[in-house]
Amino acid sequence: KNEVEQSPQNLTAQEGEFITINCSYSVGISALHWLQQHPGGGIVSLFMLSSGKKKHGRLIATINIQEKHSSLHITASHPRDSAVYICAVREEYGNKLVFGAGTILRVKS
Amino acid sequence: NAGVTQTPKFRILKIGQSMTLQCTQDMNHNYMYWYRQDPGMGLKLIYYSVGAGITDKGEVPNGYNVSRSTTEDFPLRLELAAPSQTSVYFCASSYSKTEAFFGQGTRLTVV
Repeated sequence: KNEVEQSPQNLTAQEGEFITINCSYSVGISALHWLQQHPGGGIVSLFMLSSGKKKHGRLIATINIQEKHSSLHITASHPRDSAVYICAVREEYGNKLVFGAGTILRVKS
Repeated sequence: NAGVTQTPKFRILKIGQSMTLQCTQDMNHNYMYWYRQDPGMGLKLIYYSVGAGITDKGEVPNGYNVSRSTTEDFPLRLELAAPSQTSVYFCASSYSKTEAFFGQGTRLTVV
């Protein structure tokens, strides 16, 4: 079992829909990261959070430390949101990031 | 703002050849990392460094070597390329436990 599990693996949505991507992890962490990767492109950090909730534009990230779970929400989705969304956790007592396999999101117009 | 710069962006190698993937960052970050990304898999850590002169193995270090002689540079060396090393390679940097910044990636094919 991977230390970081994301669901769903693939997601297709219509423009304007509310989207949720989930991340569960099994290790103690100091922080959780949400990252975005466009096809053929680099990786960009969206959020780093260790508790509660963060919002940036149409993106919202939440984390529940007790349940070892985080969600990334996209409101009013748009085709330009189509990308791979990656969850990564920084181990509590280590220097490393452990990555989920990613969620491939396609938003159709 | 350059951030993390990786070169080359693409490379085709023959089996047994060697090459160095370059990575440099201008943010004075102490931590630097090399990852590989294979289709359908999460990024896997190859090597990392917590400062100049210090390197350590990640999950998948076999077939690779690194050095960190300066804060800015963290090159990844492939000595005897094998088809299993066909992948996309990402370099990243950060301060101790903060947000990580990634390079644009190097797509390597070994034939």
